[in-house]
Amino acid sequence: GQNIDQPTEMTATEGAIVQINCTYQTSGFNGLFWYQQHAGEAPTFLSYNVLDGLEEKGRFSSFLSRSKGYSYLLLKELQMKDSASYLCAPNTGGFKTIFGAGTRLFVKA
Amino acid sequence: NAGVMQNPRHLVRRRGQEARLRCSPVKGHSHVYWYRQLPEEGLKFMVYLQKENIIDESGMPKERFSAEFPKEGPSILRIQQVVRGDSAAYFCASSPGTGRAADTEAFFGQGTRLTVV
Repeated sequence: GQNIDQPTEMTATEGAIVQINCTYQTSGFNGLFWYQQHAGEAPTFLSYNVLDGLEEKGRFSSFLSRSKGYSYLLLKELQMKDSASYLCAPNTGGFKTIFGAGTRLFVKA
Repeated sequence: NAGVMQNPRHLVRRRGQEARLRCSPVKGHSHVYWYRQLPEEGLKFMVYLQKENIIDESGMPKERFSAEFPKEGPSILRIQQVVRGDSAAYFCASSPGTGRAADTEAFFGQGTRLTVV
């Protein structure tokens, strides 16, 4: 079966750092996406990890451990506009990506 | 440089009517995916299509739902005899499908919000 776990909600302060964790169990695995979705809008691509380790892209970094079925998204220097849902999405092969329920991040002043 | 275009953005249907949701992928993309998102929930995979072929429809209800991606024209998600539980946002995504890992990135449309009254 397929299972993706991530916290439902998180709250952090503007300027701080927040880490959103994701564990997954899938029948196949090619890599893992993180998407950002603002309320009422389409998801937008943030990162894609294929190999173990940390990939940094500006204020956002994403980590993957394939053996542990674990990933996290790290957001630095939080801004109010970062308030959104963050979707952990393993690609299970054959160009098929499945999505977790998402973590709603609230950034407060 | 048009992205994925979905229409209509909002659709209201009475119970028992048919809903037709259209998706035009990014130009050059041959893979189309449909997802459903209920309020406060994540995206649920429904179906994955390539031109004229359904590759994976494991997430699509067996009855009342169908999808196509013809050689010419947009992909269509069709819901017959809609019920209140079909009310959701339906997102379409496309990808190039070249075989490279990075090209599995899906570009999403703005979604169609279906309301069944």
